Amino acid sequence: AQSVTQLDSHVSVSEGTPVLLRCNYSSSYSPSLFWYVQHPNKGLQLLLKYTSAATLVKGINGFEAEFKKSETSFHLTKPSAHMSDAAEYFCVVSRNNAGNMLTFGGGTRLMVKP
Amino acid sequence: DARVTQTPRHKVTEMGQEVTMRCQPILGHNTVFWYRQTMMQGLELLAYFRNRAPLDDSGMPKDRFSAEMPDATLATLKIQPSEPRDSAVYFCASGLVRREGTGELFFGEGSRLTVL
Repeated sequence: AQSVTQLDSHVSVSEGTPVLLRCNYSSSYSPSLFWYVQHPNKGLQLLLKYTSAATLVKGINGFEAEFKKSETSFHLTKPSAHMSDAAEYFCVVSRNNAGNMLTFGGGTRLMVKP
Repeated sequence: DARVTQTPRHKVTEMGQEVTMRCQPILGHNTVFWYRQTMMQGLELLAYFRNRAPLDDSGMPKDRFSAEMPDATLATLKIQPSEPRDSAVYFCASGLVRREGTGELFFGEGSRLTVL
């Protein structure tokens, strides 16, 4: 069994300040982990993914995430928020070699204040 | 620029009517997913196809929902009869699942369904 918990349903930051979106997972298998972003009225877009290579993963738009097995965490960070980062972010865990075993977190809505 | 195409983008219908949503996955992808997104439930997996064969539709209400892939370029999700509780955004996603694991999923922009 696997599950994903996004610890904050809403996060609000000021433009230019750091972003931290938290994600904890549980998995009986060696997981792949993803972060997706969803802008209003759009589909989900992949930000980054971890697939058992480097534990620090860099994604698009300046985002990165660190896989910490001991903490079962995969938090998403960005050094400096931009207004265009305002969106919903989903942490996803996938059981390797099983494309249907994707489990989505509940999502975190990021608000960026000017 | 390859992308997943969904139609219609918006649909308003009355309770009891049949609704069909269509998806054109990215050429070459071997997996297609149907998800439903609501405020209350978040993203729910409805059905999953690999190489056009349905592998998992356990998330779908069997009495009214059906999902098919008549060919590699078309996936359909049908609701008959529709009910107000079916109002949601329905997403199609496609991807390439290889032996070494799951790659990126590419999502369509969704079909927003409102059942009155």
